[in-house]
Amino acid sequence: EAQVTQNPRYLITVTGKKLTVTCSQNMNHEYMSWYRQDPGLGLRQIYYSMNVEVTDKGDVPEGYKVSRKEKRNFPLILESPSPNQTSLYFCASRARTGRNSPLHFGNGTRLTVT
Amino acid sequence: AQTVTQSQPEMSVQEAETVTLSCTYDTSESDYYLFWYKQPPSRQMILVIRQEAYKQQNATENRFSVNFQKAAKSFSLKISDSQLGDAAMYFCAYRSLSNYQLIWGAGTKLIIKP
Repeated sequence: EAQVTQNPRYLITVTGKKLTVTCSQNMNHEYMSWYRQDPGLGLRQIYYSMNVEVTDKGDVPEGYKVSRKEKRNFPLILESPSPNQTSLYFCASRARTGRNSPLHFGNGTRLTVT
Repeated sequence: AQTVTQSQPEMSVQEAETVTLSCTYDTSESDYYLFWYKQPPSRQMILVIRQEAYKQQNATENRFSVNFQKAAKSFSLKISDSQLGDAAMYFCAYRSLSNYQLIWGAGTKLIIKP
């Protein structure tokens, strides 16, 4: 089954404790992206990657890191989480080819930083 | 820069009735895509319908249809014969053809009254 797999689904941590949210897709998609969703703000892009070893900042990259060593994986790293990073996070992917190829989303990670 | 505005934070409709969710956007581009996504309580992001700007015909998917007014930069979603399973957050999104980034509205929470 074609899917984007995010883990964990829920995560509670404390300020300053490094964490990684994993994202993996099995559709051989070139493009992958991370979003955060906050009430009243919709989804905002954190980082995206057009292909292996190519990553770019989105609208809200501060406090986050990503890597794209393999095509299928695109982990999101919070080196020193802070309470303002409490949010719902989504990973997504799509094929680069095709004008209208849809974005496939993971099931989200609810992160709470205390 | 493009922006997407959903002016209705919350809407409610009686089951089996019709409801329209509004979305306006701002862009200087002539060719782009517009999307409506549904996010039920499960948090999954589900593509409801998409519209290519160069197509004058409004997109339809079963009970879901759009009213695309390109000159007015308006992209409303009409849900006919509302069902309890339609209760969700609905997000409008814009995608430029020059890049892969999606610009999201803040969302509209749709409540279905039985």
